[in-house]
Amino acid sequence: DAGVIQSPRHEVTEMGQEVTLRCKPISGHNSLFWYRQTMMRGLELLIYFNNNVPIDDSGMPEDRFSAKMPNASFSTLKIQPSEPRDSAVYFCASTPEPVGAFSYEQYFGPGTRLTVT
Amino acid sequence: DQQVKQNSPSLSVQEGRISILNCDYTNSMFDYFLWYKKYPAEGPTFLISISSIKDKNEDGRFTVFLNKSAKHLSLHIVPSQPGDSAVYFCAAMGRSSGDKLTFGTGTRLAVRP
Repeated sequence: DAGVIQSPRHEVTEMGQEVTLRCKPISGHNSLFWYRQTMMRGLELLIYFNNNVPIDDSGMPEDRFSAKMPNASFSTLKIQPSEPRDSAVYFCASTPEPVGAFSYEQYFGPGTRLTVT
Repeated sequence: DQQVKQNSPSLSVQEGRISILNCDYTNSMFDYFLWYKKYPAEGPTFLISISSIKDKNEDGRFTVFLNKSAKHLSLHIVPSQPGDSAVYFCAAMGRSSGDKLTFGTGTRLAVRP
């Protein structure tokens, strides 16, 4: 099992540029989550999908952020335009249980470290 | 507003001794709690969980205690080993009000040989 795959692992970009982060969940998992990790706020949930449908995007900070899940094996998180305060580690996670299940273990990818200069 | 708080950003413990990591929450609707462990350059991995119907759950060297009246949980690691050195995140969810995990800011544990 390859686990959750994220790309790129590191991204350095200039302010104002578009950034696209990619995630491939574990095969068979039907929920996918995007998180952002910062020192001040820890791990923040940005958005999550169930069966490719966005369920809750209340954590998306601004309209500059958007996420898509065109199929069960791929999701993107896009920031346009990027700003220095977007610098953080972005994690993708997936889970095999349907939303609402009792056991709620999420499987995380290795993260993408984004630096916006 | 941090609904899950880990007030100790770091903890240092001697190998073989007990490590106690603490977590407080404010949302009374939370009824399921998890601990995740994170090594540098890796994603968090699930460690142990507890439902609000219990006050203790044990898995090998790891035990989680839940005090609902105080809205407090703790993770005990005994005996601590150098390989336990990592960042530990506390997380909570309320199945009756949505299924999102709310994470704390993490505690960095260093186990000294």
